[in-house]
Amino acid sequence: NFMLTQPHSVSESPGKTVTISCTRSSGSIASNYVQWYQQRPGSPPTTVIYEDSQRPSGVPDRFSGSIDSSSNSASLTISRLKTEDEADYFCQSYDSTSKVFGGGTKLTVL
Amino acid sequence: EVHLVESGGGLVKPGGSLRLSCAASGFTFNDYYMNWVRQAPGKGLEWVSSITSGYSYIYYAESVKGRFTISRDNAKNSLYLQMNSLRADDTAIYYCARENLAAAAPWFDYWGQGTLVTVSS
Repeated sequence: NFMLTQPHSVSESPGKTVTISCTRSSGSIASNYVQWYQQRPGSPPTTVIYEDSQRPSGVPDRFSGSIDSSSNSASLTISRLKTEDEADYFCQSYDSTSKVFGGGTKLTVL
Repeated sequence: EVHLVESGGGLVKPGGSLRLSCAASGFTFNDYYMNWVRQAPGKGLEWVSSITSGYSYIYYAESVKGRFTISRDNAKNSLYLQMNSLRADDTAIYYCARENLAAAAPWFDYWGQGTLVTVSS
């Protein structure tokens, strides 16, 4: 099995752009799609990115996802930050028999 | 509208058992793979178990293998998790989550609100 490592926390100001990384410990990041979930306190997660870079309907285009094979990592980028984006963000991938989540990143918009 | 409602959580002593349920509505339940995902207090998400739509495949995280059993009743639109030999580190909110049907990758498109399981003496 593999692990997904995320920074514990990031912070940025409203209106700016922030990028959260998710590094795969073994195996290629490109071999299995990566998803990103947003979780606000007291609520279940919601999907903001699936299949590396796809946005579910209703998710604003300020959210984008990508992968970088050279660093074996995926990234979630949020542009034009709003205070409502303050939340925990989790990456997720999978292999043939399991799903794996990253440890989560707390985004503070201050 | 899709609804997933978990129930069955509560306080249980170490070594005890609990059965969680998830009632699904608003979609054709027997078309979808279903999962349990848990979150310990103040911690991250941990996938627990998956079951395919036709019961063909069942998978577990190593941390629960041999102790937890996932099942479903398509006639009742319900998902279950039988948890035995519970330990303190099983304390968590347990979410029922639906896997997106049309995607190329397994991702969770709907989640319930969760049910809290506390394992403590």
